[in-house]
Amino acid sequence: EVQLVESGGALVQPGGSLRLSCAASGFTFSDHYMDWVRQAPGKGLEWVARTRNKANSFTTEYAASVKGRFVISRDDSKNSLYLQMNSLKTDDTAVYYCTRGPRVFDIWGQGTMVTVSS
Amino acid sequence: DIQMTQSPSTLSASVGDRVTITCRASQSISSSLAWYQQKPGKAPKFLIYWASSLDSGVPSRFSGSGSGTEFTLTISSLQPDDFATYYCQQYLVYPFTFGPGTKVDIK
Repeated sequence: EVQLVESGGALVQPGGSLRLSCAASGFTFSDHYMDWVRQAPGKGLEWVARTRNKANSFTTEYAASVKGRFVISRDDSKNSLYLQMNSLKTDDTAVYYCTRGPRVFDIWGQGTMVTVSS
Repeated sequence: DIQMTQSPSTLSASVGDRVTITCRASQSISSSLAWYQQKPGKAPKFLIYWASSLDSGVPSRFSGSGSGTEFTLTISSLQPDDFATYYCQQYLVYPFTFGPGTKVDIK
């Protein structure tokens, strides 16, 4: 079964850091571009970041709202995707979904909740 | 950035109704448009790509059309499982952007 499972969400204070993880199974993870998409409570979907595959040099893309604060990475040996989130703001409060690219997001995890609050 | 809009924001319908949701892009995106369905507390589910191609397993009552800046998602005969929020998404250029969503609820 094709599956993505996120973990690492938590309550964190403004200015703090958090690392999200996503474990993939049921497909050849290393072949695929992978993305993070978030959804603030009661709001719509916002694309956050992308990592391309090894064939495309693991290059990355970021939404302007997180560029310079978030870092997306992957470990193909562990079939895992990560999102290092630094200098967190209250506006970063959301459910964070791990998704599979490259154009459409055809597989989604169940999401992990990040709450930024003092 | 390419802005995506959807109308209506909420749609009240009955089982068996034909339902149409419109998505508009602020500039031409050719056919680089996807549709997703999301139910409360769940992750989005991918439905349609290239504006009109159904993902594997998506019921044939769903259809998509359009190109350029205007797109539609149609459900030919609304079923109980279809009450949800629907999002369009452009994937022509970064940043990928989603529409604000259309909630289909029970009349």
